[in-house]
Amino acid sequence: LAKTTQPISMDSYEGQEVNITCSHNNIATNDYITWYQQFPSQGPRFIIQGYKTKVTNEVASLFIPADRKSSTLSLPRVSLSDTAVYYCLVGDGDTGGFKTIFGAGTRLFVKA
Amino acid sequence: NAGVTQTPKFQVLKTGQSMTLQCAQDMNHEYMSWYRQDPGMGLRLIHYSVGAGITDQGEVPNGYNVSRSTTEDFPLRLLSAAPSQTSVYFCASRPLALRGETQYFGPGTRLLVL
Repeated sequence: LAKTTQPISMDSYEGQEVNITCSHNNIATNDYITWYQQFPSQGPRFIIQGYKTKVTNEVASLFIPADRKSSTLSLPRVSLSDTAVYYCLVGDGDTGGFKTIFGAGTRLFVKA
Repeated sequence: NAGVTQTPKFQVLKTGQSMTLQCAQDMNHEYMSWYRQDPGMGLRLIHYSVGAGITDQGEVPNGYNVSRSTTEDFPLRLLSAAPSQTSVYFCASRPLALRGETQYFGPGTRLLVL
């Protein structure tokens, strides 16, 4: 399973763009990159998934360089409600997709 | 759809007691899983199932049993609770057609073992 490395925590202010970078040097050819968001006292929520280049949805954008050894989750104009833990996951294609592993994640604090 | 539901929301046990955490989903998902999350930590996979009658172990299966008699339900049993099992437990599900990283999580059960 490819290991991921993320910052433990980040601070931001309302209205700013937040970029969280995840390192995954051992990503396999068939692995996708997935990000989850977890609010306190709630289960994780799927945000976005991508394989290469750029993916955008109504919540976030995901930037993946050509070598795919890292990825950046971009949250535009954050608000206080974006305070959460963000997890970067890299696909577990070698186990048939049955043993998804979560790391410690990045705690994002958005201040007024 | 109610999605993934878990009961109870909160439970206190004494060391040595047994209990079952309930998980149900109404989306007809083949794959279901159980995770535990300790304070300030990520989620660790306990057990998973790819369909009725089929279960397998995750990272931290010791002290827990599971069974899958129906597509909808995936209960997690603590055989003899220990303080080390104090944690928040999350159940998740997904269709097998989706990639493994794309799961739908329940709201969690907070367990305190004294």
